[in-house]
Amino acid sequence: EAGVAQSPRYKIIEKRQSVAFWCNPISGHATLYWYQQILGQGPKLLIQFQNNGVVDDSQLPKDRFSAERLKGVDSTLKIQPAKLEDSAVYLCASSLGVRSPPYENTQYFGPGTRLTVL
Amino acid sequence: GQQLNQSPQSMFIQEGEDVSMNCTSSSIFNTWLWYKQDPGEGPVLLIALYKAGELTSNGRLTAQFGITRKDSFLNISASIPSDVGIYFCAGQRRGTGNQFYFGTGTSLTVIP
Repeated sequence: EAGVAQSPRYKIIEKRQSVAFWCNPISGHATLYWYQQILGQGPKLLIQFQNNGVVDDSQLPKDRFSAERLKGVDSTLKIQPAKLEDSAVYLCASSLGVRSPPYENTQYFGPGTRLTVL
Repeated sequence: GQQLNQSPQSMFIQEGEDVSMNCTSSSIFNTWLWYKQDPGEGPVLLIALYKAGELTSNGRLTAQFGITRKDSFLNISASIPSDVGIYFCAGQRRGTGNQFYFGTGTSLTVIP
């Protein structure tokens, strides 16, 4: 079974530039997550989709970050304009998203995109 | 956002030794997961726990869902060099839209 795919793996930009990340979840997974992982910390949820609808975006800095999941499969995360503090690894994860027992919400992560903002 | 507290923050052990780490929260969780993350990679799921008191093994790894539902433990027996990495716990509370909260991580170094 193919895992979660992400691209690019690395990106270096200057502050105030724009950047976009792409994620392809595991086939059949209804739920998709974007996390930000700053060096030395655990992943922090930015946004969660159930199919093509947003379930939780309470920690997404909406003045500069946006995400979409058209057709309920692939997703893109965009930052515009980028700031120095956005330097981090951006992780995409997916899960089956079953809401009844046995609550199969185990998340599977992609390799991440390492963003460096100069 | 909530962060779970993991301890110890880092460990340096000799190959063959056993390892214990734990994760605590001020909130009750219904699901606990343990992940391992290698440099430059995303976290890889090791063990999932769904019931208080549950004890689950995966090879040399054993994890337990604390009976208070506010903690979880991970043990690694007879450590080997490839166990090196950062271990994260993650907890989920029902009613939070399936959101998982991640721990601060435990960095493990195994000395051959």
